[in-house]
Amino acid sequence: DQQVKQNSPSLSVQEGRISILNCDYTNSMFDYFLWYKKYPAEGPTFLISISSIKDKNEDGRFTVFLNKSAKHLSLHIVPSQPGDSAVYFCAARDHTDKLIFGTGTRLQVFP
Amino acid sequence: DTGVSQDPRHKITKRGQNVTFRCDPISEHNRLYWYRQTLGQGPEFLTYFQNEAQLEKSRLLSNRFSAERPKGSFSTLEIQRTEQGDSAMYLCASSLGQGTWYNEQFFGPGTRLTVL
Repeated sequence: DQQVKQNSPSLSVQEGRISILNCDYTNSMFDYFLWYKKYPAEGPTFLISISSIKDKNEDGRFTVFLNKSAKHLSLHIVPSQPGDSAVYFCAARDHTDKLIFGTGTRLQVFP
Repeated sequence: DTGVSQDPRHKITKRGQNVTFRCDPISEHNRLYWYRQTLGQGPEFLTYFQNEAQLEKSRLLSNRFSAERPKGSFSTLEIQRTEQGDSAMYLCASSLGQGTWYNEQFFGPGTRLTVL
């Protein structure tokens, strides 16, 4: 049973435009959500997070939105840059502190 | 570099052999996690430690897998009698756990295991 889902395996966006990556979850007990970025042959790199008591968190070009009633979160990257091309994982923290990851979305930013 | 380090980065072994991986967390972090990632999937939780205590183990961690963190610093993950299904990227992460306050987990570069 996939508790964290990223239904879009890939996304292609032109440089300078907005990238929107989506994530859905099923467990209402998750209290913290994170986005990680991963390049091939490297470990995931922490990008941005949001507590379940908030609905928005912003850090530079990256903004995460949380809609608890819909059990949905999204990552917005504005403006997108070629260096943003990577696989993005959504993750949720459960009550035992472990992270539950989605299957990832491959973002490609083209010139 | 004060990030999480893992050794080796790559390991190729024959089915039935034992392998051991090492993880050195960020020095002030008291929590250490092991995850496994297979192709096309996100990382899956295996186990985690707070200091030297192993607090949780996933059902993915069969009795062929054992993890230790003897002095609350580095950790080892051993797989006995490896099987081809064990081929994956093994990721280590660490965080500073302070009660219920959450701090992000930072990942190492991973150890890629190939079982022939």
